[in-house]
Amino acid sequence: AQKITQTQPGMFVQEKEAVTLDCTYDTSDPSYGLFWYKQPSSGEMIFLIYQGSYDQQNATEGRYSLNFQKARKSANLVISASQLGDSAMYFCAMREAAGNKLTFGGGTRVLVKP
Amino acid sequence: GAGVSQSPRYKVAKRGQDVALRCDPISGHVSLFWYQQALGQGPEFLTYFQNEAQLDKSGLPSDRFFAERPEGSVSTLKIQRTQQEDSAVYLCASSLVGPGGNYGYTFGSGTRLTVV
Repeated sequence: AQKITQTQPGMFVQEKEAVTLDCTYDTSDPSYGLFWYKQPSSGEMIFLIYQGSYDQQNATEGRYSLNFQKARKSANLVISASQLGDSAMYFCAMREAAGNKLTFGGGTRVLVKP
Repeated sequence: GAGVSQSPRYKVAKRGQDVALRCDPISGHVSLFWYQQALGQGPEFLTYFQNEAQLDKSGLPSDRFFAERPEGSVSTLKIQRTQQEDSAVYLCASSLVGPGGNYGYTFGSGTRLTVV
């Protein structure tokens, strides 16, 4: 079974609008961390935001916020006020406490239209 | 250095050729990871080092893949007798500390391997 599922292969968003990228995960570990990364065409993975499973509040980092719904095992990324430079692949990833590696979803390609 | 450096940036190999991919992590970073990313997909874990010890190699797809980090800094991923299905981007990441907590992983720009 997939541990990280991103159901949206691609999305268009109008510049200056908000966009929500979906991510659901599967784990039996009570302690885990959830990450979002951006991968532009240059290929580098850029860290955006982190949410720990025991964190009481949803994480925010500038224009990025994470809508963490633990009971539903979802960790959606919200990008507010989209910019042309936000066009990229976005990956959701999870690290379980039992290990050190990140497990990635299949990604969502975002294209911001002017 | 300031970031994770990978070389070469691009590598074209003939089928059956051996290749070596280098990763130079951020100085002082204890943990080092290798990932394989096929075109249009998310990265897949290959192997993990803590200092010079290879603690997890469960993701290596076959015995043709071998990774080392002899002095706990630079790491090399070697692929023997390359096959077309090995064509992918190979990403290296490093992080400062061991398991647990919100520690950042810093990724390199990757090596794009094309096997022809």
